Amino acid sequence: EPEVTQTPSHQVTQMGQEVILRCVPISNHLYFYWYRQILGQKVEFLVSFYNNEISEKSEIFDDQFSVERPDGSNFTLKIRSTKLEDSAMYFCASSEMGQGLYGYTFGSGTRLTVV
Amino acid sequence: DQQVKQNSPSLSVQEGRISILNCDYTNSMFDYFLWYKKYPAEGPTFLISISSIKDKNEDGRFTVFLNKSAKHLSLHIVPSQPGDSAVYFCALYPTNAGGTSYGKLTFGQGTILTVHP
Repeated sequence: EPEVTQTPSHQVTQMGQEVILRCVPISNHLYFYWYRQILGQKVEFLVSFYNNEISEKSEIFDDQFSVERPDGSNFTLKIRSTKLEDSAMYFCASSEMGQGLYGYTFGSGTRLTVV
Repeated sequence: DQQVKQNSPSLSVQEGRISILNCDYTNSMFDYFLWYKKYPAEGPTFLISISSIKDKNEDGRFTVFLNKSAKHLSLHIVPSQPGDSAVYFCALYPTNAGGTSYGKLTFGQGTILTVHP
């Protein structure tokens, strides 16, 4: 079964450093998403991406965050200057269609720890 | 964000019995209602969904019920199996998402289901 692949599985970074989280969505999917889950809290939407541009973003997704699809297969989330409160599990997801009835396929996540 | 609530943090069920997971929401601005399952160290896995124009959708052992007047969603698993033990999230997809804006899923906080052999 096709999978969304995320690397690395765990990233530890110093506060103030830049991090790039990487994702390889399912090859025929056109819509891409980042979500995160802070320990003990809900899974939260960050951003959706279609046709090489952001289609929607949450209030969490401020100027410190950016997304990119640098080639035909990768989808990245960059955090420019990490804060302690950015520590969370970050999930990439993709879907063939934009509307939500058929669900999104999520990756296994990257655990980001900011120290 | 209190739009979506799963009021039971955990549920314990005997193998073969019915598991009923519940989810309440506070406004009517959602088109699709989904259930995801999550195992430790994995991402959420899509289980089943229902459109706001329906009140029931069934897929094998899983049935989702939607009561729009009560703003209540439930997932029934019959019969429950030990492999169903996981965290279950309801997730709601907003109305009027589409066009150039692809809507976000709003998740509940999850219910830990444990199915005992």
